[in-house]
Amino acid sequence: EAGVAQSPRYKIIEKRQSVAFWCNPISGHATLYWYQQILGQGPKLLIQFQNNGVVDDSQLPKDRFSAERLKGVDSTLKIQPAKLEDSAVYLCASSLGAKPGGSYNSPLHFGNGTRLTVT
Amino acid sequence: AQTVTQSQPEMSVQEAETVTLSCTYDTSESDYYLFWYKQPPSRQMILVIRQEAYKQQNATENRFSVNFQKAAKSFSLKISDSQLGDAAMYFCAFPNYGGSQGNLIFGKGTKLSVKP
Repeated sequence: EAGVAQSPRYKIIEKRQSVAFWCNPISGHATLYWYQQILGQGPKLLIQFQNNGVVDDSQLPKDRFSAERLKGVDSTLKIQPAKLEDSAVYLCASSLGAKPGGSYNSPLHFGNGTRLTVT
Repeated sequence: AQTVTQSQPEMSVQEAETVTLSCTYDTSESDYYLFWYKQPPSRQMILVIRQEAYKQQNATENRFSVNFQKAAKSFSLKISDSQLGDAAMYFCAFPNYGGSQGNLIFGKGTKLSVKP
């Protein structure tokens, strides 16, 4: 099966500019996650979708970050305006269901991520 | 709240030898899952192995096995016959039962180097 697709692979922008990331999950996966991974740390959840509804966005900086998942498939994550501390890898993941931890039989599958550098 | 702690920022192993990566966690749940993910330079997080807490037997996947000690809340990863391709960041992960179900909480990771 095709994996989780993300684009772009790299992005360099200046602070206060805007940027958008795109994610296409594995076909049939109802749950989609965006994680932020700052250098030297583990991924941290930004937002979780179940189909096209938001399940958890408690750690999303809503004053500058936004995300949507139209038609319950592809998703975009936007940052406007970007700050220096937004420099990180943005990982998209998907799973079949939303049971705890993705569940034993439905683990999270990750894309290759987008490395964002804000100068 | 669930927490995941990886106390070894970096580890090194000689090719063909065995290495163990440590992970401890804290939870009030009685039944749960635990995961180890590998992140090579390609940045893709790859599931290495998973364990259900109620299962007494430690999980094994080829050269990868876990030492799960529920009472001690310890979940270490053992890599046997290490290969150059095992060099990567390794993350221990635990489900976020306190928040929305489905997402994972990750430790800070252990960078594994494999020497030829």
